[in-house]
Amino acid sequence: EIVLTQFPDTLSLSPGERATLSCRISQSVSRSYVVWYQQKRGQPPRLLIHAASTRATGVPDRFSGSGSETDFTLTIDRLEPEDFAMYYCQQFGDALWAFGQGTRVDIK
Amino acid sequence: IQLVQSGPVVKKSGASVTVSCRASGYSFSNYGIAWVRQAPGQGLEWMGWISGFSGNTNYPPKFSDRVTVTLDKVNSRAFLELRSLTSDDTAIYYCARGGHYGVVTWFDSWGQGTQVTVSS
Repeated sequence: EIVLTQFPDTLSLSPGERATLSCRISQSVSRSYVVWYQQKRGQPPRLLIHAASTRATGVPDRFSGSGSETDFTLTIDRLEPEDFAMYYCQQFGDALWAFGQGTRVDIK
Repeated sequence: IQLVQSGPVVKKSGASVTVSCRASGYSFSNYGIAWVRQAPGQGLEWMGWISGFSGNTNYPPKFSDRVTVTLDKVNSRAFLELRSLTSDDTAIYYCARGGHYGVVTWFDSWGQGTQVTVSS
């Protein structure tokens, strides 16, 4: 079973700052199968990034993804007020999907 | 692309619940549908997936004996059945589009969520 661990649990930052969110996966995986979602309170998740670094349609370029093997990162440059939300990483393969426990980005 | 789910439900412990998800705006048979739940204050948990292309299903071990995911291709609807409910099943249940022509992918569109509350 693949386990995804996100850290930190909470990131308290001010608008305009950079957020760096990490996702560690319990075994080496292909970048093609690593995904990031954003979820705002009371809303369903929204696809942000797939294949570790490809932004979904309509996602601003201040969001970027990187990483390989077991360590993946979501970076948000110059936080906007609407970016304060929960973020989840996901890995999939062989018709199985797993999520990390999430990182909350809070306003400091 | 739109996924519209059925409304909130309250069930008793031990009962079963079925949540539906109606898709529009794309060729339903070419994509799969996954189900994901979120307990109060908790993270996302994948529950099952069905390929619109082949009808193949897959479930994580935790749900393999209590969950069934089905499709009604004529009406572009997907269904999640969860049996033997307990209070731990109180959550928001989401459907999401995932998988294209049987190839597994990320979830690119989500339903609005359905609140399922289990009371004793």
